[in-house]
Amino acid sequence: LAKTTQPISMDSYEGQEVNITCSHNNIATNDYITWYQQFPSQGPRFIIQGYKTKVTNEVASLFIPADRKSSTLSLPRVSLSDTAVYYCLVGDLNSGGYQKVTFGTGTKLQVIP
Amino acid sequence: ETGVTQTPRHLVMGMTNKKSLKCEQHLGHNAMYWYKQSAKKPLELMFVYNFKEQTENNSVPSRFSPECPNSSHLFLHLHTLQPEDSALYLCASSLVGPIGELFFGEGSRLTVL
Repeated sequence: LAKTTQPISMDSYEGQEVNITCSHNNIATNDYITWYQQFPSQGPRFIIQGYKTKVTNEVASLFIPADRKSSTLSLPRVSLSDTAVYYCLVGDLNSGGYQKVTFGTGTKLQVIP
Repeated sequence: ETGVTQTPRHLVMGMTNKKSLKCEQHLGHNAMYWYKQSAKKPLELMFVYNFKEQTENNSVPSRFSPECPNSSHLFLHLHTLQPEDSALYLCASSLVGPIGELFFGEGSRLTVL
């Protein structure tokens, strides 16, 4: 699986849009991209998933350029409750019946009042 | 709230004890996972069960023994652990297939004395 690289930490003020970029230079044709959010002492929670171009849901957008060597998670108008660690994952579509993904170190987002 | 329930939430054990962690999901999923999260380290995939068959064992020491009696229950049996095994142990489940969402439980915080 391709290795992912993210900033270790980011700070943002409440109400701002936050963009977290993940690098996955060695992504393969069969790989897809997923982002998770984790609060302290809890399990990660799924945010969004995509293969190419742009995906949007009710909480975030995911931008993936044509070369797929990076992806950007966009959180609109963050609030204090968005303070968490955000993980970018690359998964293998050919893993068979289960999800073969690798978690990296994540980006610790601190939202400031 | 979560559809994946882990018990106990906290466990303290000595190095010679034998204990078990339990995970239960009522989401109709057929794949279940054990992850380990140590302080300041990425989540590490330990085991994967797909339709009750173990499909992944990431070189986990034999002092960790998984058991999956049915698609809804997953156990992690612990014996003769080491202090460095202290960590948050997370269970997850997913629908069969390589993509989609991993649903995590809240974890079992294990301390080995």
